[in-house]
Amino acid sequence: DADVTQTPRNRITKTGKRIMLECSQTKGHDRMYWYRQDPGLGLRLIYYSFDVKDINKGEISDGYSVSRQAQAKFSLSLESAIPNQTALYFCATSDPGIQNIQYFGAGTRLSVL
Amino acid sequence: GEDVEQSLFLSVREGDSSVINCTYTDSSSTYLYWYKQEPGAGLQLLTYIFSNMDMKQDQRLTVLLNKKDKHLSLRIADTQTGDSAIYFCAERMNTGFQKLVFGTGTRLLVSP
Repeated sequence: DADVTQTPRNRITKTGKRIMLECSQTKGHDRMYWYRQDPGLGLRLIYYSFDVKDINKGEISDGYSVSRQAQAKFSLSLESAIPNQTALYFCATSDPGIQNIQYFGAGTRLSVL
Repeated sequence: GEDVEQSLFLSVREGDSSVINCTYTDSSSTYLYWYKQEPGAGLQLLTYIFSNMDMKQDQRLTVLLNKKDKHLSLRIADTQTGDSAIYFCAERMNTGFQKLVFGTGTRLLVSP
């Protein structure tokens, strides 16, 4: 089983719909992240959480919200999806060591029509 | 700024060496990373280098770090078709919560 699991893997939705992307991890890490990937732009940080009570905005948080339900679960919501939120979304966790290595899920491909 | 720059594409023949280059921004970055993304998969850490090192070798992979020029490179020896993927460099910022800033990714295509 994957250490970082994202569901769904693919989703097509319509403008204005509310969407939730889920992430769960079995690595026991406290730190979790949500990124989006767009062609030619690399990965951009949406939100990050250092523990259940510590949630922070990243560089592109507008239009998104998150919930850290437990140490192992971190979900990303699009309250009212718009077409420019069409992207590949990744969840990641990081280890507590000084190297701060991040471990990624397989991604969710979201299309907003 | 926090732009980490990479060229978008690299095409090589199987058996040749590949060199993927990256220019980063924060001269005080402590760690620099190379991640590989295969089709339909997430990013997987290939290797990383601590900022007080100039070179790190791991089997077919060689990482070179030039701190003066803020330049990082990844050399893949004897490139195989299975090495075809997108390669991301990332720097760990030395401010705030020490976030990772990723480059735009280089798509490596290895032809037989």
